[in-house]
Amino acid sequence: ETGVTQTPRHLVMGMTNKKSLKCEQHLGHNAMYWYKQSAKKPLELMFVYNFKEQTENNSVPSRFSPECPNSSHLFLHLHTLQPEDSALYLCASSQVTPFYGYTFGSGTRLTVV
Amino acid sequence: KNEVEQSPQNLTAQEGEFITINCSYSVGISALHWLQQHPGGGIVSLFMLSSGKKKHGRLIATINIQEKHSSLHITASHPRDSAVYICAVWPGGGADGLTFGKGTHLIIQP
Repeated sequence: ETGVTQTPRHLVMGMTNKKSLKCEQHLGHNAMYWYKQSAKKPLELMFVYNFKEQTENNSVPSRFSPECPNSSHLFLHLHTLQPEDSALYLCASSQVTPFYGYTFGSGTRLTVV
Repeated sequence: KNEVEQSPQNLTAQEGEFITINCSYSVGISALHWLQQHPGGGIVSLFMLSSGKKKHGRLIATINIQEKHSSLHITASHPRDSAVYICAVWPGGGADGLTFGKGTHLIIQP
């Protein structure tokens, strides 16, 4: 374990389902991130939370809805997804001030059927 | 937007060989990460560099800020080094997302 825990590790959902991905860190970091890794594409930033406030939404469709109730927990709520949303979703955390790097979770492999 | 280019995209080598993976970027940055991703998805941060050179075991990372270029070297490569190595740049300024290269898929054959 890296210190950033993601659940579930694998998820298969239908296009009409609603599900949530969870990320948890107890590293004392104050920024958390969602990234998406699609097949044969680089990792892409989705959302950034800095001290629980969303500071970046990288043009992500509204069917992805993040939630950060506190600096240790981050959720990604999913609804009415499309098959092309199938990907590896990675959570990361970092200490912002001073910045000393990222810790990544192991990811959730999502398949939309 | 920063463009991050890695080379080579794929590399197969024999155990014991010296490996070099390159990363170049287009816009000035505050720091650069080298990451390792094994099958199954988990990503581990190997190095974060803002200048010079860092060494950890058989891994060495260098960065030239003026030339906007970094290299990751693996000495005495081993099959367990087989993974995808990803370069990612951080622009600076706080809670900024990273911009990633496409990764280099490394296979070390026994």
